[in-house]
Amino acid sequence: NAGVTQTPKFQVLKTGQSMTLQCAQDMNHNSMYWYRQDPGMGLRLIYYSASEGTTDKGEVPNGYNVSRLNKREFSLRLESAAPSQTSVYFCASRDPGGNTEAFFGQGTRLTVV
Amino acid sequence: AQSVTQPDIHITVSEGASLELRCNYSYGATPYLFWYVQSPGQGLQLLLKYFSGDTLVQGIKGFEAEFKRSQSSFNLRKPSVHWSDAAEYFCAVGSGTYKYIFGTGTRLKVLA
Repeated sequence: NAGVTQTPKFQVLKTGQSMTLQCAQDMNHNSMYWYRQDPGMGLRLIYYSASEGTTDKGEVPNGYNVSRLNKREFSLRLESAAPSQTSVYFCASRDPGGNTEAFFGQGTRLTVV
Repeated sequence: AQSVTQPDIHITVSEGASLELRCNYSYGATPYLFWYVQSPGQGLQLLLKYFSGDTLVQGIKGFEAEFKRSQSSFNLRKPSVHWSDAAEYFCAVGSGTYKYIFGTGTRLKVLA
């Protein structure tokens, strides 16, 4: 079982460049999430998708856009990358409900220079 | 507002010693609480979760956690730490139907 798959694993961008981070899950989960992880700040929610066809902002959505392409796939786009977006990005999925666990991808380490 | 606090940023213990990682939460209703572990360069893996019933929950890798409503705490414990337990540990609360709120994490170092 692949679980949650993120691509790419590493990326270096120049300021102003754009890119899309891809995420796919094979667990038939309804909800998907994008987090960023920065030292000393834990995981902060960027966007989430409660179900196919819906997306909502999290704590730190500025500078990002998302697309829930279908039930399996949830992409994160940086339209004009900034050094402040240097971070490790995690995609996660879970079934709705407060007591369900989230499954995480391996992360994308993004550096913006 | 809901929040999760992990007061210890770093903890160092000797191999074989006991471990307790602290987690305090603020949540209006009955919380759903989770502990995750992140090994270097990896994603997060669930250690254990609590949402009802027995307040002492057992997880994988010999970890356990105790829910104390009166103290708004959900501390993670292990009787004897192994070198392979060195990692970062995150406490989280399930907030409503869709959101998780994570603490800022505690990085565990294990001395041989």
